Amino acid sequence: AQKITQTQPGMFVQEKEAVTLDCTYDTSDPSYGLFWYKQPSSGEMIFLIYQGSYDQQNATEGRYSLNFQKARKSANLVISASQLGDSAMYFCAMREALTDSWGKLQFGAGTQVVVTP
Amino acid sequence: DGGITQSPKYLFRKEGQNVTLSCEQNLNHDAMYWYRQDPGQGLRLIYYSQIVNDFQKGDIAEGYSVSREKKESFPLTVTSAQKNPTAFYLCASTISPQGMNEQFFGPGTRLTVL
Repeated sequence: AQKITQTQPGMFVQEKEAVTLDCTYDTSDPSYGLFWYKQPSSGEMIFLIYQGSYDQQNATEGRYSLNFQKARKSANLVISASQLGDSAMYFCAMREALTDSWGKLQFGAGTQVVVTP
Repeated sequence: DGGITQSPKYLFRKEGQNVTLSCEQNLNHDAMYWYRQDPGQGLRLIYYSQIVNDFQKGDIAEGYSVSREKKESFPLTVTSAQKNPTAFYLCASTISPQGMNEQFFGPGTRLTVL
């Protein structure tokens, strides 16, 4: 069964606007972590932001913030003040701490973001 | 500079041939991972290793093999048994599989079977 679901295959956003990328997850593990990665056309995966299941506050990292709604099992990424360099594929991933001791990440299918001038 | 290197960047293979993809890290990370990415899709785990001389199969290990003889190196061999090997391969590492540490990725190898 798919553990990470990203329902938006692609999005267009204008420069300087904010964009929200959806991510829902499925786990029965009480301890887990959620990660967002950016993949530009070059292919390398760049870590953006992390949210732990026990974190009381939503994670923020510069222009990136995470809208974490634990009861709904969603961890949406918000990119504020979009820049042309934000055009990339964005992946949501999850690590389950108790059911996996190997640090494995499970990835969603990704959302392609295109920032237009 | 610390990081993960993968070589080659592009690789072409004839059907029936085995090929080995290189992955080296100088981050002193314990755990290393191999992922496969097909066009428009997410990453799927092939193999992973927590320590030297130990590795485990991931979700799609059939047709692949790995070794971990040194902490910094985790090569992946794509064998002729892999039915559809054309894909983008990414190597990753993390300082420790315990704890919620992010994985760092290499630049990837794009494999094409001719």
